[in-house]
Amino acid sequence: DVKVTQSSRYLVKRTGEKVFLECVQDMDHENMFWYRQDPGLGLRLIYFSYDVKMKEKGDIPEGYSVSREKKERFSLILESASTNQTSMYLCASSPPAGVGVTDTQYFGPGTRLTVL
Amino acid sequence: AQSVTQPDIHITVSEGASLELRCNYSYGATPYLFWYVQSPGQGLQLLLKYFSGDTLVQGIKGFEAEFKRSQSSFNLRKPSVHWSDAAEYFCAVGVYNFNKFYFGSGTKLNVKP
Repeated sequence: DVKVTQSSRYLVKRTGEKVFLECVQDMDHENMFWYRQDPGLGLRLIYFSYDVKMKEKGDIPEGYSVSREKKERFSLILESASTNQTSMYLCASSPPAGVGVTDTQYFGPGTRLTVL
Repeated sequence: AQSVTQPDIHITVSEGASLELRCNYSYGATPYLFWYVQSPGQGLQLLLKYFSGDTLVQGIKGFEAEFKRSQSSFNLRKPSVHWSDAAEYFCAVGVYNFNKFYFGSGTKLNVKP
């Protein structure tokens, strides 16, 4: 079974703090993704990575950065946390999509971040 | 541009009743379609997926979905709902480029005893 783990289930931080969310997958997947989930908005893609040290912006990258130094680990960084970044953060991984095909994304349990 | 619409935000059904959750997508190429379920406080679990072939796909927990290209729909169905099915359900379309997904806003299912 694919396993995607996230470093914290719940996190409380103060405005202006630097926040690190860690995600690790054990299936040697090339692709990794960070989403935020808000009620009524579904999942929105923040950043994704298709290889070590490679990253691409998703739909809502402002206020976030990412790091992928090892294939199994993908970190989301909030440089200066703000209250509007209070949300559920979900990490996912997938094998690479072939030409003309796509593949399943596997999700971690999520980190509920509260910024006070 | 690709997008996914789930028109029902909340649905309540009685235990034992049938269920249909609606999903419409917009995508220019052949869609790869997914349904995920999220129990409270949990991540997303894959229920089923459509890549090609038979337009009626079977998934886990007794769910099935039917792909209708003419209607751009991929509705999720279950003949008899159990109380443990209460959760939030997300439809998604996958695109070839880097395997990005686009998710609907979700449908929250309540099950009445």
